[in-house]
Order: sequence, then structure tokens, then C-alpha cells
Amino acid sequence: GESVGLHLPTLSVQEGDNSIINCAYSNSASDYFIWYKQESGKGPQFIIDIRSNMDKRQGQRVTVLLNKTVKHLSLQIAATQPGDSAVYFCAEEQAWAAGNKLTFGGGTRVLVKP
Amino acid sequence: NAGVTQTPKFRILKIGQSMTLQCAQDMNHNYMYWYRQDPGMGLKLIYYSVGAGITDKGEVPNGYNVSRSTTEDFPLRLELAAPSQTSVYFCASSYPSGQTGFANTGELFFGEGSRLTVL
Repeated sequence: GESVGLHLPTLSVQEGDNSIINCAYSNSASDYFIWYKQESGKGPQFIIDIRSNMDKRQGQRVTVLLNKTVKHLSLQIAATQPGDSAVYFCAEEQAWAAGNKLTFGGGTRVLVKP
Repeated sequence: NAGVTQTPKFRILKIGQSMTLQCAQDMNHNYMYWYRQDPGMGLKLIYYSVGAGITDKGEVPNGYNVSRSTTEDFPLRLELAAPSQTSVYFCASSYPSGQTGFANTGELFFGEGSRLTVL
């Protein structure tokens, strides 16, 4: 079936370096993608989103890149901080009549080393 | 606003027991969802609702039931608990796309989760 997945399950990053988290998706009909951050013992929190008619979107210290040709999504975190340690999920929105139904990938754990 | 509130946070059940996970949101969101998250995995959609009185199955609905009698509440019922239902359950809510005035409105607001163990 069609799914959203991630290349790297764990990413260790030195504090201050940039982080890049990758995600592959297979449903070409998806038109909306979101990155969520999940800290230990908490629910996922929205980070940034992007529509399929865009290639890049920037937020505060984060940038999402979308390559529709190869169905690839990435999240870049600039100047990674200890508070960025968490599991990051990409999610895609399936086109359907009502509701924002998201399909989540398996997650990448980011560990920030001091 | 309290956001999305889930109770209980932790629960241990014996096989065959029943229980209800409660979820309430105070953001006047039309859409509500129940996801489960198994260890080291992503979230899978169990049930969702686009408004009071309307519910529909997600990816993994077997063994669960839901109801949506009010906009605020979306309880998840487990009738005959099985070990396979050991998981962390997350409730979420959102605005329907287009209602917030922003271009992209698919953001889901999640609760803190309910950890369920079935022994």
C-alpha cells in the first residue's frame, strides 16, 4: 500500500550543527505534508507544513523542502539545540472528501550531543 | 484554553475487560481523531469524526468503538481488551481546512496521550 516512511531511524547531531531529517512518500495524490515533533511522554506538536505546489517553506530555524519528482520531503533544523532532541514524524494528507486525515511515517529520533 | 485533554493517562487492563478513553477539546474544533502509537512506530488512525453525530473508521478500527454526541467530546471504547491493544493512544482535533483563514490548515492538535497495557 502507499505509505510515508523515513530513511534514518536515529540521527545524532552536535549542538550548534544543522540537522537534516529525510522522509520518502509514495502517494503522488497527497497534496499536503506536515512535520511533527514528539518529545518523550508527550503528544506530537506541529512544526511546519508545506503544500504540493511549493518546493520550500521556512519557519523559525526550520525549513521544509519538497521534491515531488522523487517524492522526498526533508526537514532542516538550523543551529540544533538540546531542546530539539525528540522524535520527528513526517505526515501526508490523503485527498478525501472531509477531514484532515493524516498518514504518519515511522519517525526519526534526533539526539543532540552537547 | 486547555487544548485537548485525555484521561486516564495510564491504565492496566486484564484481557477481556472493557474501558473508555476520554477525550475533550475546548477549541471548538469540528474534527476529532483517535490514533494509536506502538513502541518505536508512527501513529495509526483508529477512528475520526467530522462533527457531532458523525464518525467513521480509520486504518485500524477493529476492537474499538467511538461516539460523538457533542463537539467537545470524543470517547474511545474498548469492549474486549486484548494484548494487541497495548499501546499509547492519542486524541487530536483540528479545524476543517479553510476555516482558519490560512492557506494550510491541516494542523492536528494532540493530547498528551493515554498509555494502555493489557495483560
